[in-house]
Amino acid sequence: AQKITQTQPGMFVQEKEAVTLDCTYDTSDPSYGLFWYKQPSSGEMIFLIYQGSYDQQNATEGRYSLNFQKARKSANLVISASQLGDSAMYFCAMRERYNTDKLIFGTGTRLQVFP
Amino acid sequence: DAGVIQSPRHEVTEMGQEVTLRCKPISGHDYLFWYRQTMMRGLELLIYFNNNVPIDDSGMPEDRFSAKMPNASFSTLKIQPSEPRDSAVYFCASSWDRGGNNEQFFGPGTRLTVL
Repeated sequence: AQKITQTQPGMFVQEKEAVTLDCTYDTSDPSYGLFWYKQPSSGEMIFLIYQGSYDQQNATEGRYSLNFQKARKSANLVISASQLGDSAMYFCAMRERYNTDKLIFGTGTRLQVFP
Repeated sequence: DAGVIQSPRHEVTEMGQEVTLRCKPISGHDYLFWYRQTMMRGLELLIYFNNNVPIDDSGMPEDRFSAKMPNASFSTLKIQPSEPRDSAVYFCASSWDRGGNNEQFFGPGTRLTVL
């Protein structure tokens, strides 16, 4: 079974609009962390935001926020006020505490921001 | 801080040749990870080290792959002999102690092409 599922292979959004990238996960570990990374065309992996399973509030980092719905096992990334520079691949990842320190990545969503 | 350093950035070699990829983690980080990224398989964890000791190498595809970490500031991933299906981008990442929101910091990657 897939641990991390990103069902949107590609998304388009107009500049200045908000966009939501979906991520669902599967774990039986009560303690886990969820991460989002950005990979621009240059190839590097850039950490964006983190959500812990026990965090009471949704994580936010600037224009990035995480819509964490624990019961649904979803951790969607919301990018507000999209910019052309947001065009990239976005990966959701999970770390389970009982499974040491491995990060399990989803297949990614390619976001294209157009003017 | 210089971030995670990988060399070379690009490597083109012929089938059967030995390939050595190098990584210098961020100073003070306890964990070092080697990933492989391909279009077909996405981002896969190959092996990771804690305090220079290999913890989990279950992702290493076969005996042709080996990794070492002789000290806290240097790691190598070796492929011998290389095959065309090894063509991929290989990332090295490092992080602090386990748990919490300690994200993994990725290097720029090595793009390997095996002809």
